[in-house]
Amino acid sequence: AQSVAQPEDQVNVAEGNPLTVKCTYSVSGNPYLFWYVQYPNRGLQFLLKYITGDNLVKGSYGFEAEFNKSQTSFHLKKPSALVSDSALYFCAVRDGPSSASKIIFGSGTRLSIRP
Amino acid sequence: IAGITQAPTSQILAAGRRMTLRCTQDMRHNAMYWYRQDLGLGLRLIHYSNTAGTTGKGEVPDGYSVSRANTDDFPLTLASAVPSQTSVYFCASSREGKDTQYFGPGTRLTVL
Repeated sequence: AQSVAQPEDQVNVAEGNPLTVKCTYSVSGNPYLFWYVQYPNRGLQFLLKYITGDNLVKGSYGFEAEFNKSQTSFHLKKPSALVSDSALYFCAVRDGPSSASKIIFGSGTRLSIRP
Repeated sequence: IAGITQAPTSQILAAGRRMTLRCTQDMRHNAMYWYRQDLGLGLRLIHYSNTAGTTGKGEVPDGYSVSRANTDDFPLTLASAVPSQTSVYFCASSREGKDTQYFGPGTRLTVL
């Protein structure tokens, strides 16, 4: 069965510093990997995804994520954090393109950027 | 283009009552989904529909039912609400099942 883990409930970073939000996954086939962001009282917004190709994926708002097959990880990164990046971040995984597979979300990581 | 709309925005409901949460999308997406979000548990899939006329059970389907009579609408019904169904409910859609999902603004439901 597929699963996804976000080991940190909260990440605190000073503005201007690099940030990393961790995600690891487990699937039986080829993973489809996603990052979403949720601002207060809003629905989730898509940030980026990895399906195939280059292991480094660039997304919205200057975020990027690196697919590491050997470590089964898909960590979200940004070189220089902004206070406006403070939000709840969800990693998600799907076990390949089959209509029988469903997307599974992690429990979320709250990112707090201090001025 | 509105994207995905959900109604109501919030609702307080007495236990045992019937409630339907509405979800409408105008993107002509084939696939639609209902999730519940609970603190510390992330999003859990309740039901989904890969195309109009078909539905399937997700991770936590008990106590909920859905229908997909047309492409645009995907209502979620709680036949007899219980306090454990207090949650924030999100509807989502995607062009196909394997594509990026787009989320509605959510419905905050409190069952007393």
